[in-house]
Order: sequence, then structure tokens, then C-alpha cells
Amino acid sequence: GDSVTQMEGPVTLSEEAFLTINCTYTATGYPSLFWYVQYPGEGLQLLLKATKADDKGSNKGFEATYRKETTSFHLEKGSVQVSDSAVYFCALTNTGGFKTIFGAGTRLFVKA
Amino acid sequence: GAVVSQHPSWVICKSGTSVKIECRSLDFQATTMFWYRQFPKQSLMLMATSNEGSKATYEQGVEKDKFLINHASLTLSTLTVTSAHPEDSSFYICSAIRTGDQPQHFGDGTRLSIL
Repeated sequence: GDSVTQMEGPVTLSEEAFLTINCTYTATGYPSLFWYVQYPGEGLQLLLKATKADDKGSNKGFEATYRKETTSFHLEKGSVQVSDSAVYFCALTNTGGFKTIFGAGTRLFVKA
Repeated sequence: GAVVSQHPSWVICKSGTSVKIECRSLDFQATTMFWYRQFPKQSLMLMATSNEGSKATYEQGVEKDKFLINHASLTLSTLTVTSAHPEDSSFYICSAIRTGDQPQHFGDGTRLSIL
């Protein structure tokens, strides 16, 4: 079945460091790919999405490119801030369905 | 943007109590809502898919009689944890899909603590 694998955390970075959180997926067909962010004690917020190969999703300085050849959707940000500390979930929704498959989540800590 | 409101945000109650959690889509009609459970430092586990006007579809291993789901209107779904016990303590999150649109819009979650 469909699945999402993302790097284990926690990831600890200093402010202004470069961030990469790896995400790979297994799916039949042509899934849509998402990154969600969860701040402490809150639900999930959509961070960015990409619906087809080579699409780049971007928001708030975060970017991810849908790579079909490597089945990846890695999240990047050039300069992280303390306020970026949160848990990040990679997810996919396959064509023709509503169910979203989530990765295990990666906790990010950014130190001042 | 789309907003999903979940209430209550935190509830503490005694073992054996039934607890109702509401999930409302505030500015759009949601034909489908989802209920998730999240254990500490873990990912979301889909419990059930709730379709307006029909019975919910439960994931394997989720007790239908324990977790009652009602989706009576296009803007409201409820999850009732019946006769709750300490092992039901968790963070419950709902999400909603705007008709014919993705992605899911999430509520802020309900932290349930059963004493």
C-alpha cells in the first residue's frame, strides 16, 4: 500500500541555519504531496503542496519539489527561525481517494 | 481561508463518562470529515471517515461502539467517546475537505484526559 517515510528527529539547528527534512514515498498512480506543520498543542496546518511531478510548493520560506524519479518531496528552508520549531509531517493523497497518508513526523528545534 | 473549529480543546473527566467532541467547518461545506488520534510524539492515526448523511467508515481496529461518529450536516461532525477509560486519553484531531477540493483543513485538536 501507499506509504510515506520521513527522516527521524529530532532535528536541532541554530537560528539562520539551513534546513532539510527528507521525505520519500511509495504510491501507485500520481499522488498529491503535502507538508503539514504542527505547533505544540495545536492541530495541523498545511505548509505547502505539490500536485504533479516537478512542481515546487513554497510558503513562508519553505520549499519542496515533487521528484517522481526519486519518489521524494524533501522540505528545505534557507534560514530557519526559532518560531519554526514544530513538528513537520510529510503526507500524500492518492488519485481518486480522500485518504491522506502521513509520515511519522519530524520534530524541529531551532535554538537562538 | 478555510477554518475548522474543534471543541472542546481540552477535557478532563472521570472514567466511565462519555465525552462528545465537535468539529465544525466555519466557512465552507464539508461533505467529508476525518477523525484522527495522535499519541504523544507520534503521527496521526486515522480512526474514521465521516460522510454527511451516511454512516462513518471506520479503520480496522477502531471500535465503532466506543467511538460514535455523527455527521448530521455539511458543517458539523461529532465524535463521542463512550464510557471512556484512561487508555482512551489522547489528542483527537478532526479535519474536513471542502467539497471537491484538497487538501484537508484541520481543527486545533482536543486533548482528552480520562482519570
